[in-house]
Amino acid sequence: GAGVSQSPSNKVTEKGKDVELRCDPISGHTALYWYRQSLGQGLEFLIYFQGNSAPDKSGLPSDRFSAERTGGSVSTLTIQRTQQEDSAVYLCASSQETQYFGPGTRLLVL
Amino acid sequence: EDQVTQSPEALRLQEGESSSLNCSYTVSGLRGLFWYRQDPGKGPEFLFTLYSAGEEKEKERLKATLTKKESFLHITAPKPEDSATYLCAAEGAQKLVFGQGTRLTINP
Repeated sequence: GAGVSQSPSNKVTEKGKDVELRCDPISGHTALYWYRQSLGQGLEFLIYFQGNSAPDKSGLPSDRFSAERTGGSVSTLTIQRTQQEDSAVYLCASSQETQYFGPGTRLLVL
Repeated sequence: EDQVTQSPEALRLQEGESSSLNCSYTVSGLRGLFWYRQDPGKGPEFLFTLYSAGEEKEKERLKATLTKKESFLHITAPKPEDSATYLCAAEGAQKLVFGQGTRLTINP
């Protein structure tokens, strides 16, 4: 079956622009996670969706970051007014028990 | 605060030279200890889940073990294709907490 997919695979943007990153989870997985991985660093938790519950936003680094999950499936992570320090790989994972990851979106803010 | 620490940060081995990677964790109410493999430019790939002390799981040249404070990933007679970053993560009452990873290089 299909795994977690993410788009775009790469994104280059200018400082101050908004970006949207998309995640398509594995069908039937109720939980969806977003992480950020900076060069040579571990995974930094950003946000977690579980079913119809209110999302756990405790990892979002600032109010420029937001995420939605529509219909319990596809999720979009939005970064407004991007800064150079937002450059990283953004990873999405979905799970029933074990988290399975997508390939990531590599974001470069110039 | 839940914490996961992996050592060493990097490890170079010759092909066939067995070794172990360490993952120390401090998590309230451990629900699972996970190992992932990550190749450059890709997302983490799930390897194992361990749930209780004394549990062991094997896959090809890899074996993961768990105690109440640590997990080890043993690699036996590694091949160059085993080169990757190995990530450990612990799930407690809250979210999954990841270690920084061990970057493993196997030289032919």
